[in-house]
Amino acid sequence: DQQVKQNSPSLSVQEGRISILNCDYTNSMFDYFLWYKKYPAEGPTFLISISSIKDKNEDGRFTVFLNKSAKHLSLHIVPSQPGDSAVYFCAASALGDMRFGAGTRLTVKP
Amino acid sequence: GAVVSQHPSWVICKSGTSVKIECRSLDFQATTMFWYRQFPKQSLMLMATSNEGSKATYEQGVEKDKFLINHASLTLSTLTVTSAHPEDSSFYICSARYENTEAFFGQGTRLTVV
Repeated sequence: DQQVKQNSPSLSVQEGRISILNCDYTNSMFDYFLWYKKYPAEGPTFLISISSIKDKNEDGRFTVFLNKSAKHLSLHIVPSQPGDSAVYFCAASALGDMRFGAGTRLTVKP
Repeated sequence: GAVVSQHPSWVICKSGTSVKIECRSLDFQATTMFWYRQFPKQSLMLMATSNEGSKATYEQGVEKDKFLINHASLTLSTLTVTSAHPEDSSFYICSARYENTEAFFGQGTRLTVV
């Protein structure tokens, strides 16, 4: 039962360009959405979140967009930097529950 | 951000033995803790969710008698892999959250069963 889906397992972008990572969910009860970044052999680190009452949240180079009617969220990174290369997980949360997508491996080429 | 400490970072054990992994929230009270297993090709699989003082809720397909989870206090949860087998070798990650906020993750534990 995949309630959170990241359909692109990998993404490659050029340094300085925009990276767009996408995520879809099926459970309309989710009311809080998050993006995590993960390096190999480490736990995920929190990047940015958005509540279901908003459609956009921005933090520096990172912006998360939420389209509730489409049950879709996206993470924009601009400009992308080589240090952004990692696996990105989106997560959706309702009280007492949190589900992750399968992750997207982002590679930013110098 | 908040700190979640997971210990040990890596462990090697013999097949048939049990291994305990600890997850501690160092500067906040974790009302909910989650245990994940990372499979090859990057996906994170939720194993179980535990609330302090309650029995853990296991995801479908996760053997509760094999993966024992205890959340005895608001700052500590443990995962015990009982009678470990080589197929249990994986990267296990815990996370902790206070009510409906973002979850903070431990650094993960690499378990190798030989």
